Amino acid sequence: QQPVQSPQAVILREGEDAVINCSSSKALYSVHWYRQKHGEAPVFLMILLKGGEQKGHEKISASFNEKKQQSSLYLTASQLSYSGTYFCGTYSEYGNKLVFGAGTILRVKS
Amino acid sequence: DTEVTQTPKHLVMGMTNKKSLKCEQHMGHRAMYWYKQKAKKPPELMFVYSYEKLSINESVPSRFSPECPNSSLLNLHLHALQPEDSALYLCASSHGDRGKAFFGQGTRLTVV
Repeated sequence: QQPVQSPQAVILREGEDAVINCSSSKALYSVHWYRQKHGEAPVFLMILLKGGEQKGHEKISASFNEKKQQSSLYLTASQLSYSGTYFCGTYSEYGNKLVFGAGTILRVKS
Repeated sequence: DTEVTQTPKHLVMGMTNKKSLKCEQHMGHRAMYWYKQKAKKPPELMFVYSYEKLSINESVPSRFSPECPNSSLLNLHLHALQPEDSALYLCASSHGDRGKAFFGQGTRLTVV
């Protein structure tokens, strides 16, 4: 079952922050975050495993709330290079398929 | 080498043609995947190979036929495709099942 992402799109000015959410109705084993720029392959950002954790990657970090089966991706002090479509992908607890959400289009303007 | 290489990058084929997409990785990954992506949509899983054996087929029409000749190579054989099969076909690999996936640049397929 496809995870639900929100918002569908967001426009930021450089330096502003954004949060992208991903939720599932199924118990999750892991949440994966990817960014895809137009005409390019999805690029892996990070994995969060069940157990409720937060990970950081420079100014991009994420959290996973196991009780709510929700993950959030935090982009701080956004840069032009952050523009793209962000997908969360989830593995259910006993599943073996990575299912992607519909994506969030992020546009950062100067 | 952390790349997944796909060839060709672009392919235009007629509905009666037979063609193949190729994917190669040299990261020692044991799981390989084919995804299909339509414009403005997320990647959609088609097939999963684990240790060179087909482990998942997402009810993909038989006009798509995957093959894993060895642990580094993954092919997708195409035959009698329909215009609605036009899409970006992405190959990915991961170290193990449910691991971090590395994606290739994709083959943009147009069926005419």
